[in-house]
Amino acid sequence: SQTIHQWPATLVQPVGSPLSLECTVEGTSNPNLYWYRQAAGRGLQLLFYSVGIGQISSEVPQNLSASRPQDRQFILSSKKLLLSDSGFYLCAWSVGGGYNEQFFGPGTRLTVL
Amino acid sequence: GNSVTQMEGPVTLSEEAFLTINCTYTATGYPSLFWYVQYPGEGLQLLLKATKADDKGSNKGFEATYRKETTSFHLEKGSVQVSDSAVYFCALSDNNAGNMLTFGGGTRLMVKP
Repeated sequence: SQTIHQWPATLVQPVGSPLSLECTVEGTSNPNLYWYRQAAGRGLQLLFYSVGIGQISSEVPQNLSASRPQDRQFILSSKKLLLSDSGFYLCAWSVGGGYNEQFFGPGTRLTVL
Repeated sequence: GNSVTQMEGPVTLSEEAFLTINCTYTATGYPSLFWYVQYPGEGLQLLLKATKADDKGSNKGFEATYRKETTSFHLEKGSVQVSDSAVYFCALSDNNAGNMLTFGGGTRLMVKP
C-alpha cells in the first residue's frame, strides 16, 4: 500500500530564516506530487505541483520554491520566511492523468515569528 | 474554469441528527467528484468519491450522489456522532494532465452530545 510522509510535523521559525519541508511517498512510482498551504480557518491553496523529476509548476508567485530531486521526494523551500508564510502545509500525491483523487500527508504546522 | 461551491459553516448539530452539506460545481465535461474530511490538526482524508452521473459514493455512513442535471454532490449522513466533527471539503477533478483538484471552501461540522 502507498504511504506519504511529511516532516517536520511542527516548526517554529523566525522571520527571515530559511525553510525546508520534505515530503516522501512510498509504494508507488512516478506519482504526481503537490504542495498546498492552508491558512488558519481557511481553504486550500495549491502552491506547486510536479508530474515528474525536475518538473515543477508554480500556481502562486511568492517567496517559496519547490524541488523534486527524486521520483518520490518533494521539497518546499524558502530563503527568507515572512510572517505571512505561517500556516499548515500539506503534501499530496496522485496517479497521473485526470479524474483521480489525491492522497494527503499529515501536514506540517509552520509558525513564523 | 472549474469551481466548487459549498455551504458556509459552521454547521452545528446534535448527536444522531441528520446531516446534509450542499455542494454544487461548475465544470466542462464529466468530472470525478470527491468528498474529503479533515479532522483537527490532520491532513485531508478521502471520504468518498463518484466518477460518473448517478453514481453514489458511500463510506462510514456518509453518502453522496453525483447529480449531473443539478451539478450537485451533496453529502448526507443519517445519524451524526460527536466523532464526525471535522471540516468537510468537496472537490472535483476533470481531464487535466496534472490531475489538479478544484476544492470548495470547506464546511466545518460541529456535533454536540
